[in-house]
Amino acid sequence: QKEVEQDPGPLSVPEGAIVSLNCTYSNSAFQYFMWYRQYSRKGPELLMYTYSSGNKEDGRFTAQVDKSSKYISLFIRDSQPSDSATYLCAMSPPEYGNKLVFGAGTILRVKS
Amino acid sequence: ETGVTQTPRHLVMGMTNKKSLKCEQHLGHNAMYWYKQSAKKPLELMFVYNFKEQTENNSVPSRFSPECPNSSHLFLHLHTLQPEDSALYLCASSQGQVGGPRETQYFGPGTRLLVL
Repeated sequence: QKEVEQDPGPLSVPEGAIVSLNCTYSNSAFQYFMWYRQYSRKGPELLMYTYSSGNKEDGRFTAQVDKSSKYISLFIRDSQPSDSATYLCAMSPPEYGNKLVFGAGTILRVKS
Repeated sequence: ETGVTQTPRHLVMGMTNKKSLKCEQHLGHNAMYWYKQSAKKPLELMFVYNFKEQTENNSVPSRFSPECPNSSHLFLHLHTLQPEDSALYLCASSQGQVGGPRETQYFGPGTRLLVL
């Protein structure tokens, strides 16, 4: 079983839709959870970072962590064509040092 | 130049060639990373350097050889690669002061490598 599972998509939605991107994980020691966005021909960039459980909101983006279910989500409200990218979840337990465990990434396409 | 830069952006090499990938960060960071990104697979961490010392080698074959001459530069030397090594190679850096996953990693645009 992979440590982090993420549906590769592609996920295609109309402009203005609410998007839900998800990852599941198997290691209950994970405490740090991140979402990265990767545009075509670019490296990933950090979008959201959360520690332990709960919700975090930043503009149109909300990150949610449910440690009891080992499930994390990224919600995008009022999606825009500029949100079209690959979204990578990443996570780590404290003892991993600098090491992050990534999901495979979900390709999102927002159609205008 | 700002952020993390990588050269070349594209590289085609034969299995008997020797080539090097270069990464430079202009952020004053002390930790640098090499990742491999293959289609529909998770990013694979290859090497980590903290303050120029290698602190992580994620069971990478010896045909990949990293070099970190200073905190701003990171190289990946390639020799006798296999076609399955074709991938996007990403370099990243982080502050290296706080340590651990709480540090934001800043990625370069990557080198697209094709091994024939």
